[in-house]
Amino acid sequence: NAGVTQTPKFRILKIGQSMTLQCAQDMNHNYMYWYRQDPGMGLKLIYYSVGAGITDKGEVPNGYNVSRSTTEDFPLRLELAAPSQTSVYFCASSAAGGGEKLFFGSGTQLSVL
Amino acid sequence: TQLLEQSPQFLSIQEGENLTVYCNSSSVFSSLQWYRQEPGEGPVLLVTVVTGGEVKKLKRLTFQFGDARKDSSLHITAAQTGDTGLYLCAGIYLNTGFQKLVFGTGTRLLVSP
Repeated sequence: NAGVTQTPKFRILKIGQSMTLQCAQDMNHNYMYWYRQDPGMGLKLIYYSVGAGITDKGEVPNGYNVSRSTTEDFPLRLELAAPSQTSVYFCASSAAGGGEKLFFGSGTQLSVL
Repeated sequence: TQLLEQSPQFLSIQEGENLTVYCNSSSVFSSLQWYRQEPGEGPVLLVTVVTGGEVKKLKRLTFQFGDARKDSSLHITAAQTGDTGLYLCAGIYLNTGFQKLVFGTGTRLLVSP
């Protein structure tokens, strides 16, 4: 049972570089989310999607972009990486909106130096 | 902006002790969830409470939703080393027609043998 799969697990970027964090789920969930978790803190919502072709901003979207071309995949793009984007990134999915159980991936630890 | 404050931020106890973690807000939530997160992993849902005053038990864990649906508590009886982790509350609220979820600041629990 794969659930939500995130790649890579770890990444170090230089300031100004770009990268894409991959997220895939095999549960046929409509809703997918990207969160960031700073040390010792809770999770902040970056972007979310309620279905293929539909995305919307969360609390902290600046510096990020997303796309949702299929139900399964929800990649997060970082353009011009900055030290403030050093964080652990979690992708999650749910069958329906808020109140439904969120299934999380195991995270991507990103350092921008 | 909905905010959820958790207290304490960090708790270190001996096996067998009891503890309570609090999750407080000035906002009203339609429901509230509790997650546990272990190092290197994503959060895992423990429980969802929906009705004001609701109490749910999960083995040695007791969850309560405040009467006004602004706060919640998690009580652990006779803590075990396996309870070690980061505990996150998450409140669900309605915003622009979509039910959204906001995470609390987290409580890190360390249970020593």
